[in-house]
Amino acid sequence: GENVEQHPSTLSVQEGDSAVIKCTYSDSASNYFPWYKQELGKRPQLIIDIRSNVGEKKDQRIAVTLNKTAKHFSLHITETQPEDSAVYFCAASMASGPGNQFYFGTGTSLTVIP
Amino acid sequence: GAGVSQSPSNKVTEKGKDVELRCDPISGHTALYWYRQSLGQGLEFLIYFQGNSAPDKSGLPSDRFSAERTGGSVSTLTIQRTQQEDSAVYLCASSLFGHEQFFGPGTRLTVL
Repeated sequence: GENVEQHPSTLSVQEGDSAVIKCTYSDSASNYFPWYKQELGKRPQLIIDIRSNVGEKKDQRIAVTLNKTAKHFSLHITETQPEDSAVYFCAASMASGPGNQFYFGTGTSLTVIP
Repeated sequence: GAGVSQSPSNKVTEKGKDVELRCDPISGHTALYWYRQSLGQGLEFLIYFQGNSAPDKSGLPSDRFSAERTGGSVSTLTIQRTQQEDSAVYLCASSLFGHEQFFGPGTRLTVL
């Protein structure tokens, strides 16, 4: 089955700096890669996603890049703000297959220092 | 409803008792997932339902755990003879096939 690895497990950045979180996956059939943000005591919420037919997607300060050949994808947050502090999870899924299982990374705890 | 709902929001039980956790997915979502999240940890997959297909139970940690989904909508996760290590937040999510998952608020289970 699919195996998703996520690094780093913790990340601290100064406000205004950029943060990068990286994930790798093992199953080349995976074609949908969402990123979730989970604030303390709250549910995970989708912040951005990418499908395998594109290499990069941006939404304001957040971007995701995908390298299908190397089987890795990354989340980039620019101009970080204290409210970006949260745990971020990447996931991989074979969205067009018979089973739409999601495989999550172990999470990255991001702290933005004011 | 506007989103995935779960009940109860909190459940405190004594070791050895059975508990039932409920999930109401977004109407029309064909896929439903259960995850367990221990304090400060990641999302541990438990079980996945997709339409009328047989559920993927590969994540259930023991035979004390079971889940059903009635009529392709509401799901119930049952934990029998609860143990202290079962204490965690149990998250439910639903999705349309091939699309993002929407998570419920979770049920915080505490086993004394």
